Amino acid sequence: SQQGEEDPQALSIQEGENATMNCSYKTSINNLQWYRQNSGRGLVHLILIRSNEREKHSGRLRVTLDTSKKSSSLLITASRAADTASYFCATEGTSGTYKYIFGTGTRLKVLA
Amino acid sequence: DAGVTQSPTHLIKTRGQQVTLRCSPISGHKSVSWYQQVLGQGPQFIFQYYEKEERGRGNFPDRFSARQFPNYSSELNVNALLLGDSALYLCASSSDTNQETQYFGPGTRLLVL
Repeated sequence: SQQGEEDPQALSIQEGENATMNCSYKTSINNLQWYRQNSGRGLVHLILIRSNEREKHSGRLRVTLDTSKKSSSLLITASRAADTASYFCATEGTSGTYKYIFGTGTRLKVLA
Repeated sequence: DAGVTQSPTHLIKTRGQQVTLRCSPISGHKSVSWYQQVLGQGPQFIFQYYEKEERGRGNFPDRFSARQFPNYSSELNVNALLLGDSALYLCASSSDTNQETQYFGPGTRLLVL
């Protein structure tokens, strides 16, 4: 079963605009990660935020985490056509099993 | 350095058959995880192996099994294939110094007819 639910399921924006996608999860976590997947192939790790962190930046990416609401958001600024992909959040629970639970994904399309 | 590699890239099987998928982790990575990704959904955790021992198992039937070899490569076996086993099977590896970050291979796309 999926732990995380991404919202929206699909997003279409113009190049240069910002894209925001959200992830909600159900149980306590050690960390939350965001991954990108192009055309149904392998996933690429983007950023990790730990449960004691509230915000993290990496280049054009900004991730926030609200553990009280069990939610996270990923902001991509100044989007490019190359950002077109599916984006997934993944959570690691606190049980120490190294078992990562992925969400359902947001399909982002950036129009040139 | 080469990334995670998986073979084969594509596979077609019929119901009831058995399949073996292979994964080679990044050099130096001792942890390998397997995921199943059905079209339109996120990856679902199947197994994690570390130092040849199973460290985690997802909610998959016993038809799914895996092992890790001394060189840390891994195989995923699925017996008695069902149509619902059609999916992209992803392998990921991680290092001892940063076990939280997983590096994914390109996947094996399995079609069961």
